[in-house]
Amino acid sequence: EAQVTQNPRYLITVTGKKLTVTCSQNMNHEYMSWYRQDPGLGLRQIYYSMNVEVTDKGDVPEGYKVSRKEKRNFPLILESPSPNQTSLYFCASSRGTSGIGETQYFGPGTRLLVL
Amino acid sequence: AQRVTQPEKLLSVFKGAPVELKCNYSYSGSPELFWYVQYSRQRLQLLLRHISRESIKGFTADLNKGETSFHLKKPFAQEEDSAMYYCALRYRGSTLGRLYFGRGTQLTVWP
Repeated sequence: EAQVTQNPRYLITVTGKKLTVTCSQNMNHEYMSWYRQDPGLGLRQIYYSMNVEVTDKGDVPEGYKVSRKEKRNFPLILESPSPNQTSLYFCASSRGTSGIGETQYFGPGTRLLVL
Repeated sequence: AQRVTQPEKLLSVFKGAPVELKCNYSYSGSPELFWYVQYSRQRLQLLLRHISRESIKGFTADLNKGETSFHLKKPFAQEEDSAMYYCALRYRGSTLGRLYFGRGTQLTVWP
């Protein structure tokens, strides 16, 4: 089954304790992206990747890191989490970067609480 | 700058009533527009895209370049349509493939 998976789905941590949220897709998609979803602010892009070893900042990259060593995986790293990073995080992927009508497939979300 | 504007955070209608969720965008070129839906506690999923001119679950949306709008419409709302709806924009031909989302409209359909 074609899908985007994220782990963990729920995470409670404390300020400053490094964490990683994994994202994996089995559709051989080139493009992957991380978003955070906050009430009243909608979806904001954190980082995206057009292919292996190619990543770039989205609209709200501060406090986050990513890596794309393999095509299928795109982990999100919070080196020193802070309470303002409490949010719902979505990973997404799409087949290509310029195909007309190309859409993104979303993971189930990771709910993060930073105390 | 906000590229996609959804002016209504919340929208409530009664079952069977028509519903229109507004979306305006700012882009002078040829955009690609999408509507995504997120049901309670579920992931976002594509509802429809303007390029396909399709009707999904009774919803339609027409791209109006003159008004730079892509409003989502359904003539008779159902309770199961209650969800968060996001309008999204992509620059056509963009090599980046980025989607820009509006802030979303929470639709509630009352019985």
